[in-house]
Amino acid sequence: EPEVTQTPSHQVTQMGQEVILRCVPISNHLYFYWYRQILGQKVEFLVSFYNNEISEKSEIFDDQFSVERPDGSNFTLKIRSTKLEDSAMYFCASSEAQVHGYTFGSGTRLTVV
Amino acid sequence: SQQGEEDPQALSIQEGENATMNCSYKTSINNLQWYRQNSGRGLVHLILIRSNEREKHSGRLRVTLDTSKKSSSLLITASRAADTASYFCATANAGNMLTFGGGTRLMVKP
Repeated sequence: EPEVTQTPSHQVTQMGQEVILRCVPISNHLYFYWYRQILGQKVEFLVSFYNNEISEKSEIFDDQFSVERPDGSNFTLKIRSTKLEDSAMYFCASSEAQVHGYTFGSGTRLTVV
Repeated sequence: SQQGEEDPQALSIQEGENATMNCSYKTSINNLQWYRQNSGRGLVHLILIRSNEREKHSGRLRVTLDTSKKSSSLLITASRAADTASYFCATANAGNMLTFGGGTRLMVKP
């Protein structure tokens, strides 16, 4: 069964450093998403991406965050200057249509120290 | 916000019993989805029910949606130990942006 692949599975970074989280969505999917889950809290929407542009973003997704689809397969989330409160599990997801269930990746656990 | 809130927060049942989880939300939705998450793992899509649907089945899963009450329920019949996980409802807007609830932790004892 097709999977959404995320790398790395764990990342530890120092406060103020830039991180790039990588995702390979399912190849025939057109809609891409990033969500995060802070330990013990709800899964929160960050951003959705379609047709090479952001279609929706949350208040969390401020100027420190950016997304890119640099080639036909990868979808990346960059955090420019990490803060302690960015520590969370970050999930990438894709869907083949706008009204459709998502396929989530296994997540990247980001720890900012 | 279109918050989904699950009830109960935790549920413990014996194998073979049915498990019912409820979800309430606040605003109008395009569709509502249920996901499952095993500890420390990604979310797995279970079922999507559109706002104009009232009931949907998938294997041992049955989902209902009452838009007048802004509520949904997920029924797992004949539960198995492997069903032990957290279950989340998520409401979707027209752009399919999901707002997740806090989840129900289901434990199925063998």
